[in-house]
Amino acid sequence: ETGVTQSPTHLIKTRGQQVTLRCSSQSGHNTVSWYQQALGQGPQFIFQYYREEENGRGNFPPRFSGLQFPNYSSELNVNALELDDSALYLCASTPGGANTGELFFGEGSRLTVL
Amino acid sequence: GDSVTQMEGPVTLSEEAFLTINCTYTATGYPSLFWYVQYPGEGLQLLLKATKADDKGSNKGFEATYRKETTSFHLEKGSVQVSDSAVYFCALGFQGGSEKLVFGKGTKLTVNP
Repeated sequence: ETGVTQSPTHLIKTRGQQVTLRCSSQSGHNTVSWYQQALGQGPQFIFQYYREEENGRGNFPPRFSGLQFPNYSSELNVNALELDDSALYLCASTPGGANTGELFFGEGSRLTVL
Repeated sequence: GDSVTQMEGPVTLSEEAFLTINCTYTATGYPSLFWYVQYPGEGLQLLLKATKADDKGSNKGFEATYRKETTSFHLEKGSVQVSDSAVYFCALGFQGGSEKLVFGKGTKLTVNP
């Protein structure tokens, strides 16, 4: 069984740039969530995708957007990067409709904004 | 809003010591409660969970009991091992909705031989 994989693992951007982070969900999982984990903090929910549609969003501005593809992989896009966007971005997948709270996380993409 | 407060770290223990990591929550409604663990170089993984008051979650020697009266879900282990060194996160979520979890800030545990 293939786990959740994320790419890239590390990247550096400058203020105002745009970034795309990618996630392949675990085999058989059709729901993907994205979380932001700032240094020394717990993960914060950004949004969730189920069957290619956003079906839940946290307190993040519209410049954080996402996509889910027919194969259930997903992208997180962040426009107009700000210094405070520096964080570890985590992708998590679950079997659709399970709502058990058991999320399967990838190792994350660490974004540094200079 | 919903929130989770957990014990500040880091926590350093000797092998075979008793571990308690405190966690309290604030929520509207009746959440499910979770402990997630992040081992060095790995992604977050579910350690244990409890879905209603007085439930006890357990796994790998760790236990936590859902206490509605004190809004708490403290993590305990009777005898820690070096391999338990990790960051532990308490979290809450709601059944039937999105898979949104609200996490605490995490507690780093180091166990020395």
